Amino acid sequence: DVKVTQSSRYLVKRTGEKVFLECVQDMDHENMFWYRQDPGLGLRLIYFSYDVKMKEKGDIPEGYSVSREKKERFSLILESASTNQTSMYLCASSLRGTGREKLFFGSGTQLSVL
Amino acid sequence: SQELEQSPQSLIVQEGKNLTINCTSSKTLYGLYWYKQKYGEGLIFLMMLQKGGEEKSHEKITAKLDEKKQQSSLHITASQPSHAGIYLCGAVLMDTGRRALTFGSGTRLQVQP
Repeated sequence: DVKVTQSSRYLVKRTGEKVFLECVQDMDHENMFWYRQDPGLGLRLIYFSYDVKMKEKGDIPEGYSVSREKKERFSLILESASTNQTSMYLCASSLRGTGREKLFFGSGTQLSVL
Repeated sequence: SQELEQSPQSLIVQEGKNLTINCTSSKTLYGLYWYKQKYGEGLIFLMMLQKGGEEKSHEKITAKLDEKKQQSSLHITASQPSHAGIYLCGAVLMDTGRRALTFGSGTRLQVQP
């Protein structure tokens, strides 16, 4: 069965800390995505990647960076966490190609920055 | 404003009642995806629509994409408590230059027994 695994379900960090959110998929998907979800705002795209070592900015990349050293793993990095980055973070993956944009999601990481 | 607008934002219905959720885009859609999310969890895929006028059904849920491919509706017949959750539409929008899904803000559904 298809699986996207996020390393932490809940995370509490302090302002200014460097935070790593890890995501692994076992479906050999080319595309991987990071979204954040906030009440009333839906899901907003932070970064995505179409291939290893490739990355593209989404709608809200400020304050974040990503790393994709292996096809199955996509990491989201908060260089210096701030309270406005408290949110639910969702990782997703998909196949490459037109009409194949169906996303498979992880269970999410609820991050609190104090 | 959001490129994908969902309405209503929240909905409370009695068990057994029908309901409709709408998703309207400011741009033409390449494809429209409906997801359901249980509170605090990841998203579960429901249906995908690609062709104007397309309609798909699964159990008691029907989704339609209008002819001009700028609006979709999700209809639940004879709602049950298991239908409760957040429903989100996501779409690949023309003119964005990327094949990543843009999402609406979601519709929170409660079904009262």
